[in-house]
Amino acid sequence: DTGVSQDPRHKITKRGQNVTFRCDPISEHNRLYWYRQTLGQGPEFLTYFQNEAQLEKSRLLSDRFSAERPKGSFSTLEIQRTEQGDSAMYLCASSLDPGGATNEKLFFGSGTQLSVL
Amino acid sequence: DQQVKQNSPSLSVQEGRISILNCDYTNSMFDYFLWYKKYPAEGPTFLISISSIKDKNEDGRFTVFLNKSAKHLSLHIVPSQPGDSAVYFCAATSYSGNTPLVFGKGTRLSVIA
Repeated sequence: DTGVSQDPRHKITKRGQNVTFRCDPISEHNRLYWYRQTLGQGPEFLTYFQNEAQLEKSRLLSDRFSAERPKGSFSTLEIQRTEQGDSAMYLCASSLDPGGATNEKLFFGSGTQLSVL
Repeated sequence: DQQVKQNSPSLSVQEGRISILNCDYTNSMFDYFLWYKKYPAEGPTFLISISSIKDKNEDGRFTVFLNKSAKHLSLHIVPSQPGDSAVYFCAATSYSGNTPLVFGKGTRLSVIA
């Protein structure tokens, strides 16, 4: 399978705990995105990387959230001191930026469903 | 402030008929638009896109129309099939910039056999 993979698929945690999600993009893709989706809403942008550089962060990404993409390959999204409002589907996507104009045909993973009790 | 709006949360259509899903946007900087389809327990998958230099783009049963003056686009599916039942998201970006995709809330399409 050469698509975007995310792990775990489901995570249940207690309020106040830390959680970490992993995303493995399509291997030749240089851009990696994190989105969050709650019930009845579309995906909301959180942050994205061009290779290992984090280029943009949404104001939705509070100080409790941190994302990394060491070596420009896989990425992790950590949420510290989780709150019930963090319960959502966390989606990872990747794309190949050809340089110059934006190519925003994103390939999404199946997501990690987070439930904070 | 919602920059991309899909005002119909759901739509039911009979098999073989046309499905029309609508999307409005408010940001004049958007010039590239995409439709994604999402099945339960899966991530969204790319369906079709259109640049603002065009007013129509076709791919098989799927056609997207863009009306720039009205800031409106629509996705037509003809003929609709039961396998088309999914949530459809409209998304927009600025092609020349590095603006991440902005998604609408989605429209759930049910195609009834």
